Amino acid sequence: AQSVTQLDSHVSVSEGTPVLLRCNYSSSYSPSLFWYVQHPNKGLQLLLKYTSAATLVKGINGFEAEFKKSETSFHLTKPSAHMSDAAEYFCVVSVRSGGSQGNLIFGKGTKLSVKP
Amino acid sequence: KAGVTQTPRYLIKTRGQQVTLSCSPISGHRSVSWYQQTPGQGLQFLFEYFSETQRNKGNFPGRFSGRQFSNSRSEMNVSTLELGDSALYLCASSLGGQGDLPPFNEQFFGPGTRLTVL
Repeated sequence: AQSVTQLDSHVSVSEGTPVLLRCNYSSSYSPSLFWYVQHPNKGLQLLLKYTSAATLVKGINGFEAEFKKSETSFHLTKPSAHMSDAAEYFCVVSVRSGGSQGNLIFGKGTKLSVKP
Repeated sequence: KAGVTQTPRYLIKTRGQQVTLSCSPISGHRSVSWYQQTPGQGLQFLFEYFSETQRNKGNFPGRFSGRQFSNSRSEMNVSTLELGDSALYLCASSLGGQGDLPPFNEQFFGPGTRLTVL
């Protein structure tokens, strides 16, 4: 079965310092992995996606993530946090098997706080 | 290209009533998925429709149902509302094809409908 574990429910950083949001996945098949962001009272916005083309994936707003198959990890990073990055972040896996498009499986989310 | 739209954005209902939520996908997208988001359970998959047929279903009671129209617009219905149905309901659209190349099931989300059951 597929699953996603976000290792921190809450991360707090100071503005201008690096951000690291950790995600581990479990999948029997080659997965597609995504990071979504949700600002308060908003829908989900796609930050970046892993599609097996490259292990280091660059997304919007300076975020990037590295796929490490040996560690089954897909951690999200940003070199320098901005106040506008304060939001909830979801690591998501989608696995296609047997011809089925598959569902998205969401992690529990990590709330990122950014202190001035 | 316009994004995914959901109507209404906010709803207040009382226990026992029923409610219908609407979702218009991105033009050209044929798959629509519905999710329920609550503080306690997080984001949970309800069901997915593709070409007017339910293709996948999550683990929700039969009170939750949906349908998709020929123009790919989708509605979901919740009957006999319970307090626990209070949630943000998110709709997402995707191309929905069965191509062999990733990304699999890249979905684009609407802003959601906030349902409050009193």
